[in-house]
Amino acid sequence: DQQVKQNSPSLSVQEGRISILNCDYTNSMFDYFLWYKKYPAEGPTFLISISSIKDKNEDGRFTVFLNKSAKHLSLHIVPSQPGDSAVYFCAANPGTASKLTFGTGTRLQVTL
Amino acid sequence: NAGVMQNPRHLVRRRGQEARLRCSPMKGHSHVYWYRQLPEEGLKFMVYLQKENIIDESGMPKERFSAEFPKEGPSILRIQQVVRGDSAAYFCASSPSISGGNNEQFFGPGTRLTVL
Repeated sequence: DQQVKQNSPSLSVQEGRISILNCDYTNSMFDYFLWYKKYPAEGPTFLISISSIKDKNEDGRFTVFLNKSAKHLSLHIVPSQPGDSAVYFCAANPGTASKLTFGTGTRLQVTL
Repeated sequence: NAGVMQNPRHLVRRRGQEARLRCSPMKGHSHVYWYRQLPEEGLKFMVYLQKENIIDESGMPKERFSAEFPKEGPSILRIQQVVRGDSAAYFCASSPSISGGNNEQFFGPGTRLTVL
């Protein structure tokens, strides 16, 4: 039962353009959503998060949008840079619990 | 401020042996979580511990796996009688609190377990 889904296993974007990574969830109890970035042979690094009471959160080049009615969130990276090439994981948890439920990841490649 | 530390980074075991994975949380963090990532998959929650207590082990296999977070020292994830299917990357994360804040968890670099 995949409660957090990232349906695009990979994405290729040209440097300077916008990268949009998508994530869908099924569990209505999820209250907080996070994006992590992961390089090979390293642990996930926290990028940005959003609470269910908001629909947008912005931090520099990264913006996360949340559409609760559609149970959908997206991560926008603009402008994309070669160093952004990594696997991006969407994660979620209910407000009262601490375990994170992860999606399967989207591999982003930013080309020159 | 040191991050989450895990050792060893790589561990090779033969079938039937025991594997011990260690995790030292970030300074000031008292909550530790273990996740497992199988090849080409996302991270799956295994267990959540506070000092001397297991809070949630709903993701832990019922047999052969155990975890502890003693009053002193690192958290240990122990796998007895390893099988080839245990081969995976095991990540530890820590957080200062589950209430308030942004629920962010900080991850270590992982231990890559290979079972021959």
